[in-house]
Amino acid sequence: EIVLTQSPGTLSLSPGERATLSCRASQSVTSNYLAWYQQKPGQTPRLLIYGASSRATGIPDRFSGSGSGTDFTLTISRLEPEDFAVYYCQLYGSSPLTFGGGTKVEIK
Amino acid sequence: QVQLVESGGGVVQPGGSLGLSCAASGFTLSSYAMHWVRQAPGRGLEWVAVISYDGRNKDYADSVKGRFTISRDNSKNTLYLQVNSLRGEDTAVYYCAKSGWYQLLYYFDYWGQGTLVTVSS
Repeated sequence: EIVLTQSPGTLSLSPGERATLSCRASQSVTSNYLAWYQQKPGQTPRLLIYGASSRATGIPDRFSGSGSGTDFTLTISRLEPEDFAVYYCQLYGSSPLTFGGGTKVEIK
Repeated sequence: QVQLVESGGGVVQPGGSLGLSCAASGFTLSSYAMHWVRQAPGRGLEWVAVISYDGRNKDYADSVKGRFTISRDNSKNTLYLQVNSLRGEDTAVYYCAKSGWYQLLYYFDYWGQGTLVTVSS
């Protein structure tokens, strides 16, 4: 089973700043089968990125994904007030489907 | 638009059972694999089970294998999860999630609002 480790656990930033979130896999990820989700308090998760770098429908272009192999990054170019949330990475393409532990982006 | 509405959660004693349902609309259910994902209070996301678009193939997380059963009725646009032999660590919000493709092991492009299962004596 591939383990996903997200860092940092918490990121304290101000609106307008750039956020860089990391997701590291314990083994190389096949075909860049890595997705990112956003979850706001009391809400359901929302798909942001799939295939490591493809934005899902309706996702603003300030969100971007990159990486390959074992190291992946979600970047939010300029934080908007609605972007403060928890972000999860997810591995797919093999069983079990696994999530990282999450990164909380909070207002500084 | 895609809608997934879960129901069936509640409070159950350890060792008990529940049947969860997910009513799907806004897309052709029979074309997609479907999943259950859970989230314990204050914790992260955990994938639970998947069923293929036609119901022939299923897969489960080790933590629920042998206790949970996923099924679907495409004619009723409904996904199910039968949860048996419940333990305290099964306490969580259970989300129904649509696969991004017909393939079994894929990402989740739509999620329901979830139904809370609480295991407590």
